[in-house]
Amino acid sequence: DAKTTQPPSMDCAEGRAANLPCNHSTISGNEYVYWYRQIHSQGPQYIIHGLKNNETNEMASLIITEDRKSSTLILPHATLRDTAVYYCIVSIYNQGGKLIFGQGTELSVKP
Amino acid sequence: GAVVSQHPSRVICKSGTSVKIECRSLDFQATTMFWYRQFPKKSLMLMATSNEGSKATYEQGVEKDKFLINHASLTLSTLTVTSAHPEDSSFYICSATVFGESQETQYFGPGTRLLVL
Repeated sequence: DAKTTQPPSMDCAEGRAANLPCNHSTISGNEYVYWYRQIHSQGPQYIIHGLKNNETNEMASLIITEDRKSSTLILPHATLRDTAVYYCIVSIYNQGGKLIFGQGTELSVKP
Repeated sequence: GAVVSQHPSRVICKSGTSVKIECRSLDFQATTMFWYRQFPKKSLMLMATSNEGSKATYEQGVEKDKFLINHASLTLSTLTVTSAHPEDSSFYICSATVFGESQETQYFGPGTRLLVL
């Protein structure tokens, strides 16, 4: 079973920041938080991951709470092409990358 | 990021035939690849872990004789759906792990849509 909880759907206005929450209250010390997204009928796309520090790359920022029990993915300026299902996954490093997907959040970016 | 390809992207076959799907890592070597299946409106379900040079590890409930996996090289894993039936119609997605200095990242292929008539 997935170890994360995400809202099933969210809306965001184009050009605004999209903040996608994820709860992972049972995360263990050696588990990373990964975010992927899946645009309709495509394979999942890697976005970002982190252990305990906040991370930022060209796609998004990842904010992990100090107790690591939750995190937020931030898309700073959402576009219509960001409409997708976003998956938050926790996975142990060095376990061969095994990822167990939950139901994710369906983000709709509206003009 | 790393690129993973799949072939074919779409296949239609008759019930009872076998279908082979290829997964390739294009710009890196992958000792570990994964196969997932996704039904409409559902999340991805991990089917098996494919390790180069050894037998695949299947998730609970996945028939290893039905879904044959071969990982003969560091850049190629194949999934063969044997004696396919309409209930095997699904979106099959592979992925491969890139190991960094202190982290690993999994990259996914574009998927193969299988329709069994």
